[in-house]
Amino acid sequence: DIQMTQSPSSLSASVGDRVIITCRASQGIKNDLAWFQQKPGKAPRRLIYAISSLQSGVPSRFSGSGSGTEFTLTISSLQPEDFATYYCLQHNSHPRTFGQGTKVEIK
Amino acid sequence: EVQLVESGGGLIQPGGSLRLSCAASGFTVVNRDFMSWVRQAPGKGLEWVSGVDSGGGTYYANSVKGRFTIFRDNSENTVFLQMNSLRVEDTAVYYCARDYALDVWGQGTTVTVSS
Repeated sequence: DIQMTQSPSSLSASVGDRVIITCRASQGIKNDLAWFQQKPGKAPRRLIYAISSLQSGVPSRFSGSGSGTEFTLTISSLQPEDFATYYCLQHNSHPRTFGQGTKVEIK
Repeated sequence: EVQLVESGGGLIQPGGSLRLSCAASGFTVVNRDFMSWVRQAPGKGLEWVSGVDSGGGTYYANSVKGRFTIFRDNSENTVFLQMNSLRVEDTAVYYCARDYALDVWGQGTTVTVSS
């Protein structure tokens, strides 16, 4: 199984900060990498697919990058509505695997 | 509007069975390459559970292999998850999601396994 190691597990940041979250895959996953945002009591929402493609309706302050086994989600200027938990997902092979999640909290 | 609606959750004793349903609207399940079930235990992260591809191929997490079965009913435009031999650790909110990269999610249905 492919392991997805996500870091950090949590972070505190202020509105306007630049936030970077990283996922490392235990083996190459081509471009089969997506990022999700989840708020308490809600279903996850896809933000990014194919490493860097922005989901329709998602603000442009969200971006994804990376290749091979190292991937990042960047929020260029954190907004109040961005405080949530973020997950990466690899869908290159079965079973699919998520990162452990990164909780973004208000500083 | 593209939508997924899960149902079938509830309280069940260890060793029991439940069948979850995921009804799709705004698109046809048979035309999609892949449909998945994902779960989230209380206070924990997301765990991919099972998926079915357009050819009927099925895939499972190691934690549920041999106990859970995923299948589609194209006439009902619904994906099901049959869960047998349930364990306390299967307690979670269960979501269904569309396509390989999970672009659309349902609101979830809660399964509680407890005596």
